[in-house]
Amino acid sequence: NAGVTQTPKFRILKIGQSMTLQCTQDMNHNYMYWYRQDPGMGLKLIYYSVGAGITDKGEVPNGYNVSRSTTEDFPLRLELAAPSQTSVYFCASRIGLGYEQYFGPGTRLTVT
Amino acid sequence: AQSVTQLGSHVSVSEGALVLLRCNYSSSVPPYLFWYVQYPNQGLQLLLKYTTGATLVKGINGFEAEFKKSETSFHLTKPSAHMSDAAEYFCAAPMDSSYKLIFGSGTRLLVRP
Repeated sequence: NAGVTQTPKFRILKIGQSMTLQCTQDMNHNYMYWYRQDPGMGLKLIYYSVGAGITDKGEVPNGYNVSRSTTEDFPLRLELAAPSQTSVYFCASRIGLGYEQYFGPGTRLTVT
Repeated sequence: AQSVTQLGSHVSVSEGALVLLRCNYSSSVPPYLFWYVQYPNQGLQLLLKYTTGATLVKGINGFEAEFKKSETSFHLTKPSAHMSDAAEYFCAAPMDSSYKLIFGSGTRLLVRP
């Protein structure tokens, strides 16, 4: 199993550009999550999904959108990139039972 | 509100010395507690978890943590630090009774030769 995979690994965006961060898991997990990690701030939840077709906002959803059309994929969309969205983005998934989450390797995004 | 507090954003130890990373939580939810490790430029990896049963939990790479309900603590220890333990460590707990985890702000462990 590949686990949770994320693409791209790195990306530089100009202010106002849009992009989609891809996340795929092959563990048949129902729950999927998007976090951002800023230095010294831990991880903040952006959006999460409890199954295909169901998504909900986390702590810091502004400026982002998500969709969940399949169990495997959970893309994160940035519509109008801003410098405040410079961060490292992690996707995670978990199976229904228990709370432990499995993380992807991350996408490092810089907005200039 | 649920919170997870990690005391010390940086901890420095000598190789071979005891590692102690502190975590306190506040929750009325039956405790599930986790420690994750993040090596440079990588994602988070589960180190160990507490669900129910024995309060001393053993994880990978020689780490262990003890759940102390009376102190609402879940400190991470390792008897002898190795250079390869240098990383950032995160404590996490469920956010209320939801599907979400709340993470501490992280502790960066530095291991001196």
